[in-house]
Amino acid sequence: GAVVSQHPSRVICKSGTSVKIECRSLDFQATTMFWYRQFPKQSLMLMATSNEGSKATYEQGVEKDKFLINHASLTLSTLTVTSAHPEDSSFYICSASAPRQRGVYYNEQFFGPGTRLTVL
Amino acid sequence: TQLLEQSPQFLSIQEGENLTVYCNSSSVFSSLQWYRQEPGEGPVLLVTVVTGGEVKKLKRLTFQFGDARKDSSLHITAAQPGDTGLYLCAGGSNDYKLSFGAGTTVTVRA
Repeated sequence: GAVVSQHPSRVICKSGTSVKIECRSLDFQATTMFWYRQFPKQSLMLMATSNEGSKATYEQGVEKDKFLINHASLTLSTLTVTSAHPEDSSFYICSASAPRQRGVYYNEQFFGPGTRLTVL
Repeated sequence: TQLLEQSPQFLSIQEGENLTVYCNSSSVFSSLQWYRQEPGEGPVLLVTVVTGGEVKKLKRLTFQFGDARKDSSLHITAAQPGDTGLYLCAGGSNDYKLSFGAGTTVTVRA
């Protein structure tokens, strides 16, 4: 259980275009979804936290007008990189969290397979 | 932001040897997760520990949460090439976010 998918897995786009990445929880309803960015050989950097039906909360230094997040349902969140530039090239990973069966929230997050974005 | 320090940063060992990865912080966490990530893929959850002093075993992997819930360790016995990957510890707090360590790159040579 706790499967999260991401689409697309790879995308190459021209500078100035916008790219949408989808994150879906396939077998559970996610209370919250998170978007991360990861540079080569580094750990995950949290970009924003997304709750269904409300505005995303962005981490310091992350431009909310550039990285648009929409959390339309308990199983779907999207990240749109607007007017992408080469410096936006990175590995973007989403995660979803769900409460444990015993009702105690353990902060567990289940990650998607990631999306490799290359901006030419 | 609560900081988690992982050590060592890199670890290269021969198949059959044992290894230990450490995760330390000055902050108390409500839970701690360990993930393994392979190149080009997302992290996969290995274990969650929530009680101070807790020890969990997953086949050849042993996870321990410190008594004060500030540190954790991951021990692999008789490592195999399939254990190769980036190991990440992550501490959970009341705001639903995870604080990630910098990661330990483990390479097991056949």
